[in-house]
Amino acid sequence: EAQVTQNPRYLITVTGKKLTVTCSQNMNHEYMSWYRQDPGLGLRQIYYSMNVEVTDKGDVPEGYKVSRKEKRNFPLILESPSPNQTSLYFCASSFTGEANYGYTFGSGTRLTVV
Amino acid sequence: QKEVEQDPGPLSVPEGAIVSLNCTYSNSAFQYFMWYRQYSRKGPELLMYTYSSGNKEDGRFTAQVDKSSKYISLFIRDSQPSDSATYLCAKKGGFQKLVFGTGTRLLVSP
Repeated sequence: EAQVTQNPRYLITVTGKKLTVTCSQNMNHEYMSWYRQDPGLGLRQIYYSMNVEVTDKGDVPEGYKVSRKEKRNFPLILESPSPNQTSLYFCASSFTGEANYGYTFGSGTRLTVV
Repeated sequence: QKEVEQDPGPLSVPEGAIVSLNCTYSNSAFQYFMWYRQYSRKGPELLMYTYSSGNKEDGRFTAQVDKSSKYISLFIRDSQPSDSATYLCAKKGGFQKLVFGTGTRLLVSP
């Protein structure tokens, strides 16, 4: 089954404790991206990657890191989480190009930082 | 001003009603527009896309883009309780980026 898999689904952590949210896709997509979703603000892009070893900042990158060492994986790293990073996080992937390629989203990771 | 604006709702309708969901956007440079559906505790899933202006129909769903007024619409005919979800409009920007509206929550009551 074609899918984007995120882990964990739920995570409660304490301020300052480094964490990683994993994302993996099995569709050979070049493009991968992380979004956070907050009430009233919608989906906002954190980081994206056009292909292996090519990453760039989205609209809200502060406090996050990413890496793309393999095409299928795109982990999101919070080096020192803070309460304002409490949110619902989505990983998404797609083919690249001008055509009508939409994203395939993962099921989400609900992060609470206390 | 946000690039894509959407009324958050909730929009409550009885089963069988025709639903109209709308978005406005501020940048005319982009050609692709999409609608995503998001059920509670799930990731968004692509429902429909349209290119440039005009209508596109898929079963009970019709997507419409009016580039002259920068308006994006999704119509749902014969709405069902299973259509209850949050609907997100999006436009495709540069480098594959999608810019999303905040979503409209739809509730269809039996």
